[in-house]
Amino acid sequence: DVVLTQTPPTLSATIGQSVSISCRSSQSLLHSNGNTYLNWLLQRPGQPPQLLIYLVSRLESGVPNRFSGSGSGTDFTLKISGVEAEDLGVYYCVQSTHAPYTFGAGTKLELK
Amino acid sequence: EVLLQQSGAELVRPGSSVKISCKASGYTFTDYYMHWVKQRPEQGLVWIGRINPANGNTVYAEKFKSKATLTADKSSNTAYMQLSSLTSEDTATYFCTNWEYWGQGVMVTVSS
Repeated sequence: DVVLTQTPPTLSATIGQSVSISCRSSQSLLHSNGNTYLNWLLQRPGQPPQLLIYLVSRLESGVPNRFSGSGSGTDFTLKISGVEAEDLGVYYCVQSTHAPYTFGAGTKLELK
Repeated sequence: EVLLQQSGAELVRPGSSVKISCKASGYTFTDYYMHWVKQRPEQGLVWIGRINPANGNTVYAEKFKSKATLTADKSSNTAYMQLSSLTSEDTATYFCTNWEYWGQGVMVTVSS
């Protein structure tokens, strides 16, 4: 199974600060069809996850453009350019290139 | 508006089975796989498996092959997951998702 290693596990930020979360895969997530199926999710307390970024860097409709995704192969990054209070929660990367699909362990974003 | 409406919370006895539902609306049900995800209290996300609602084809994570059974009813745009031989390890919230949209989750509590 593909292992996704997310770092850091916890992130403390002030409002307005820019932060990045890393997601490293144990194998390339490039599919034979040329797509890389790596998504980023945010789960706020008591809520289901919501999709932020799909296919590495594509912003889901309605998601603020302070969120951005980048990377390729095995190394991926989610960046938040100017944290806002509503961004607090747990961020997960998830891959759906290789079954069984797998999630990173999560990164908890807290206010400093 | 896309909505994945899941059934209500369940309290079940050890050794029993439970079937939870996920009714889709706002999109063509057969156009997207439906995935199921497990989240134990204060833990991360685990992929259980997915079903193609168009033809009923399923793929399961190895550890859920004897635990979960996924089905879909095209006539009612509803996906189902049955969990069998329940133990305390199955106490969790279960989400359905087509990766873009997520259900609100069903809390299943296994207790005598």
